[in-house]
Amino acid sequence: SQELEQSPQSLIVQEGKNLTINCTSSKTLYGLYWYKQKYGEGLIFLMMLQKGGEEKSHEKITAKLDEKKQQSSLHITASQPSHAGIYLCGAGPTGTASKLTFGTGTRLQVTL
Amino acid sequence: NAGVTQTPKFQVLKTGQSMTLQCAQDMNHNSMYWYRQDPGMGLRLIYYSASEGTTDKGEVPNGYNVSRLNKREFSLRLESAAPSQTSVYFCASRLDTLREKLFFGSGTQLSVL
Repeated sequence: SQELEQSPQSLIVQEGKNLTINCTSSKTLYGLYWYKQKYGEGLIFLMMLQKGGEEKSHEKITAKLDEKKQQSSLHITASQPSHAGIYLCGAGPTGTASKLTFGTGTRLQVTL
Repeated sequence: NAGVTQTPKFQVLKTGQSMTLQCAQDMNHNSMYWYRQDPGMGLRLIYYSASEGTTDKGEVPNGYNVSRLNKREFSLRLESAAPSQTSVYFCASRLDTLREKLFFGSGTQLSVL
């Protein structure tokens, strides 16, 4: 099974600061997803990366997949209270249905 | 659009009781999944179904059974609930093309006393 390690496990940043969350696998990632979960709610899709070296951005969030496709990072620029929540990376082969597994999550708090 | 609908949203059970969590999607997705989320453990896959009539075990299938009733519905059954099954349960589905985003339900919070 795909084992994904996220770091850090939790993060407290001051509003306006930048931050990075990492997701690492011992196996090649064939499809890497980033989701966000607000406390006590469901999961919101952020981005999906498939190609080595791929980078995607949405508003102030940028996700990258390294060339070897074993590590992804999620970078938030100028954090805001609305960015607070749990960030999860998930991965699994594309194509037909398969075991999509997730990391343990990174809990982000943004202080004023 | 309803998306992925889970019922119930909350449930309290006594040890040994049984119950079924229901999940339905209206997006004509082929694949459906059940995950559980525990503090500090992220999402762990319980069972998944690639298509109607097929199911496969995930990372933590013990104590659970599933049924893919039709293309829309995928249920999760706890035959004899245990306190270790206290968790938040999420159902998800996806379409098997290049853009394989998972769509999640809003979750079921289950407590087993």
